[in-house]
Amino acid sequence: DIQMTQSPSALSASVGDRVIITCRATLSIGSWLAWYQQKPGEAPKLLIYKASTLKSGVPSRFSGSGSGTEFTFTISSLQPEDFATYYCQQYNTYPWTFGHGTNVEVK
Amino acid sequence: EAPLVQSGAEVKKPGESLKISCKGTGYNFTTYWIGWVRQMPGKGLEWMGIIHPADSDTRYSPSFQGQVTISADKSISTAYLQWSSLRASDTAIYYCARREATGESDSWGQGTLVTVSS
Repeated sequence: DIQMTQSPSALSASVGDRVIITCRATLSIGSWLAWYQQKPGEAPKLLIYKASTLKSGVPSRFSGSGSGTEFTFTISSLQPEDFATYYCQQYNTYPWTFGHGTNVEVK
Repeated sequence: EAPLVQSGAEVKKPGESLKISCKGTGYNFTTYWIGWVRQMPGKGLEWMGIIHPADSDTRYSPSFQGQVTISADKSISTAYLQWSSLRASDTAIYYCARREATGESDSWGQGTLVTVSS
């Protein structure tokens, strides 16, 4: 299986901060990576796919980059509604796998 | 209505069987793969497997192979996740998610909470 190492596992930030989350794959996955946001009691929501494509309707403060084995997810200016857990997922090779998640908390 | 609607919460005893469902609405159900994802209490997302409803081609994560069965009935636009003998460790929320043409999962069901307790 391709393992996805996501870091950090948690971070504390303030509104307006720039937040960066990284995801590393144990094998090359090309650009077949998605980023999801999950809030308590809710299903995950897709934010970015193909490593850097912003889903329609998702605010432009969210962005993604990378290819191969190294990927980055950025929130350029954290908003109150962005406090949540974020997951990366590779969908290049079965079994698809998720990172362990990053909990973005209020500082 | 949301594209995927899951069945309601279940409370079962260890050793019992269970089948939960995920109904596709408002689109051609046989066009898209449907995957299942587990989330244990307070934990992250785990990909379990995926099925193509048109021909029931199914892929499992090795972690779940033999532990669950994924199936689909295209005549009623419904995918299933089933257990023959539940364990307490199966307590979790289970989500179904539709694989889009470009591979990512954009549509998710609301989740089904399965509680296994004696």
